[in-house]
Amino acid sequence: DGGITQSPKYLFRKEGQNVTLSCEQNLNHDAMYWYRQDPGQGLRLIYYSQIVNDFQKGDIAEGYSVSREKKESFPLTVTSAQKNPTAFYLCASSIGQKPLHFGNGTRLTVT
Amino acid sequence: AQSVTQPDIHITVSEGASLELRCNYSYGATPYLFWYVQSPGQGLQLLLKYFSGDTLVQGIKGFEAEFKRSQSSFNLRKPSVHWSDAAEYFCAVGAPPMFSGGYNKLIFGAGTRLAVHP
Repeated sequence: DGGITQSPKYLFRKEGQNVTLSCEQNLNHDAMYWYRQDPGQGLRLIYYSQIVNDFQKGDIAEGYSVSREKKESFPLTVTSAQKNPTAFYLCASSIGQKPLHFGNGTRLTVT
Repeated sequence: AQSVTQPDIHITVSEGASLELRCNYSYGATPYLFWYVQSPGQGLQLLLKYFSGDTLVQGIKGFEAEFKRSQSSFNLRKPSVHWSDAAEYFCAVGAPPMFSGGYNKLIFGAGTRLAVHP
């Protein structure tokens, strides 16, 4: 079955360390997205990519970086510059006018 | 500014009762509208979408939503709620994609958490 795989489901890091969240899709979708979810704030867009080797900042890109070297993969790096990195991170993909299809998320805890 | 407002943070209904979740949006052009549902610790699942045409759209799990342009609303309804409907519901709005590259900046509301009493 086609879908989006986010790994790991839970991730723990010490403050000051960079961490990379994985997102892989086998839906042949052109566009991929990273959202951050915090209680009571809904989803906020971090980065999105509409084509390989190109990506755009979303509303809260500071402290994050991405790459899109392959159509199937869109990893997100949470850097030490991100002041409040503890959150639930959701990856999504889409093609054309089809709605966003989401992965099951990665919960990142930084202590 | 583009925004989505879900006025109700929490709603509690009895099983079998009807449900309406409110969604208001602010958008410069005719938007594409979506409702998603999220179970705890999971990703989001699409319930329904509105692009154009009939303003009453049917979705999965017995949900429907009505687009009212004059009120900038896209409220979600279900005639009879089941205990399994307890989850968080998100309304989202975005511009129609220009090409195959998908949406940019799909905006989500803060969500409404639904609890269902037996």
